[in-house]
Amino acid sequence: QSALTQPASVSGSPGQSITISCTGTSSDVGSYTFVSWYQQHPGKAPKLMIYEVNRRPSGVSNRFSGSKSGNTASLTISGLQAEDEADYYCCSYAGSSTFAFGGGTKVTVL
Amino acid sequence: QLQLQESGPGLVKPSETLSLTCTVSGGSISSSSYYWGWIRQPPGTGLEWIGSIHYNGNTYYKPSLKSRVTMSVDTSKNQFSLKLSSVTAADTAVFYCARVPSNGDYWDYWGQGTLVTVSS
Repeated sequence: QSALTQPASVSGSPGQSITISCTGTSSDVGSYTFVSWYQQHPGKAPKLMIYEVNRRPSGVSNRFSGSKSGNTASLTISGLQAEDEADYYCCSYAGSSTFAFGGGTKVTVL
Repeated sequence: QLQLQESGPGLVKPSETLSLTCTVSGGSISSSSYYWGWIRQPPGTGLEWIGSIHYNGNTYYKPSLKSRVTMSVDTSKNQFSLKLSSVTAADTAVFYCARVPSNGDYWDYWGQGTLVTVSS
């Protein structure tokens, strides 16, 4: 069970769209539709932003969207805003009731 | 509104056992609809799932930690707990407790986290 691979950092200007990738294997991301994404501001607990690849919890902006192709899941933030600057983590079910998280991506709003 | 709150010592000596408790309020830990779990985050790094537990006692642990991890539930206190034995400095982290739906695989409610430092 290895950590999922995310880019260390992604940046964009206000109003732009950015995409964060999350690459796993055929044992986790590639085999299940249970991919979720979390936003974490400094010193705070993670917050669920996307679950089951592309579903948004109530209260999460529709500027956040998710997708998956093969062993790679993606989170897209459209209309980037200053408040989106945070760390983002993906998570995938990995079988046998276990989970794998990604290493995290720091999003910077230029 | 469901709330989770971690508690326990902030400093543990090497080779000793780390013990944390998560108190759940605003909802029952005895619901069959949810599992409860622990996730940790070493300083400046990413999240790591440690394990999950159901109120009926079913447990699932990360394979690489399984030999050192024990989780338990106390339904009378609406709490669940984590014990991590033989700790080293590498176990220093912020520990979060969280909830995952039984029919889903995402962590929807989190505690605020508690920093545990392993040092002599």
